[in-house]
Amino acid sequence: SQQGEEDPQALSIQEGENATMNCSYKTSINNLQWYRQNSGRGLVHLILIRSNEREKHSGRLRVTLDTSKKSSSLLITASRAADTASYFCATASFRDDKIIFGKGTRLHILP
Amino acid sequence: SAVISQKPSRDICQRGTSLTIQCQVDSQVTMMFWYRQQPGQSLTLIATANQGSEATYESGFVIDKFPISRPNLTFSTLTVSNMSPEDSSIYLCSVAKDRGRWTEAFFGQGTRLTVV
Repeated sequence: SQQGEEDPQALSIQEGENATMNCSYKTSINNLQWYRQNSGRGLVHLILIRSNEREKHSGRLRVTLDTSKKSSSLLITASRAADTASYFCATASFRDDKIIFGKGTRLHILP
Repeated sequence: SAVISQKPSRDICQRGTSLTIQCQVDSQVTMMFWYRQQPGQSLTLIATANQGSEATYESGFVIDKFPISRPNLTFSTLTVSNMSPEDSSIYLCSVAKDRGRWTEAFFGQGTRLTVV
């Protein structure tokens, strides 16, 4: 089963611009995480935001969480060619003891 | 952190055969999971591998098709049985350190399976 819906499904922007991806989910969560996947292989954890947090920063990444709307956004500032990848949100529920992934956004940074 | 070694990294198999994928972790972990990622799609959770007991399968996945073993806290296997071309996917092993205190999950590099 999949929990989240990312929006947009695909995004192409010029290098240097900011990229924003959104994620919506359906059930209550304990935290929400964002992952990056290059070339369809292993995933890299980017950032985690807990259900009692509203915003979190890590380098060029900014994540927001609105539990009332069951949504999150990932902002990548000053994008680089190396940011080209697929980005997934994933929700974790302590009660269910598992992480469920959204459908993902394919980000392409144009030179 | 946790370093995950997943084998094989890729394989091409004949339909009707079975393939066993191994996942070895460099440290003891509480939670181990198996995901499937079909071409161009997201990750779908197949099951949670439970140490010393039967795996917990998600809706749409059954033990006869995807038997899972987890003999200890650092190792698990996933078998894809009686394969058909629809089983062509990337299969990923994932681990998390603690139950009920989630931080990040760690992933192996995946097994790219092609069934012909």
